[in-house]
Amino acid sequence: DAKTTQPNSMESNEEEPVHLPCNHSTISGTDYIHWYRQLPSQGPEYVIHGLTSNVNNRMASLAIAEDRKSSTLILHRATLRDAAVYYCSYRSGGYQKVTFGTGTKLQVIP
Amino acid sequence: NAGVMQNPRHLVRRRGQEARLRCSPMKGHSHVYWYRQLPEEGLKFMVYLQKENIIDESGMPKERFSAEFPKEGPSILRIQQVVRGDSAAYFCASSPANSGNTIYFGEGSWLTVV
Repeated sequence: DAKTTQPNSMESNEEEPVHLPCNHSTISGTDYIHWYRQLPSQGPEYVIHGLTSNVNNRMASLAIAEDRKSSTLILHRATLRDAAVYYCSYRSGGYQKVTFGTGTKLQVIP
Repeated sequence: NAGVMQNPRHLVRRRGQEARLRCSPMKGHSHVYWYRQLPEEGLKFMVYLQKENIIDESGMPKERFSAEFPKEGPSILRIQQVVRGDSAAYFCASSPANSGNTIYFGEGSWLTVV
């Protein structure tokens, strides 16, 4: 199964940028990196994904290391609604399933 | 375009009863995945299905749990003879065929065994 490592928790002040790191040292060259987040009592929500190049969308940016063994999810201006558990994941071996690690619980301080 | 629909959202069962959880994937999606989340824990993969086929059931408990995704109708996760330890949130996700990328989750079904 795909193995990722994330800090258990992080804090950010509201309106400030947040950088959420993830290590995925066993990733292979064709595996996409995915980020999801889960708000309390809700299903996981897709945030962003990428392969090699950095990616931007309306929710966040994804910075992928050159060796692809780590990535960083960037929330440019944290809001209270961004408080959630953020999961980094990737698919290994060409399988469709997504395996999740323990995630990072982000607290946003007003 | 409706998202992944799960029902019931909340289900209470007594020990020994059966629980059936249903999942209708997003329109056009033929791949379904079930995950379980115990209280205060992460998401654990259970099973991956395509229409009429179980592709990967490596996360399914060996007994009492089964899943299907028939040609017509929703995917069903069935738990027989429920025990208190089955109390959890069960999430379904779906993706199109050959997407290789994003899967989309439903809002979950919360099972409570009393």
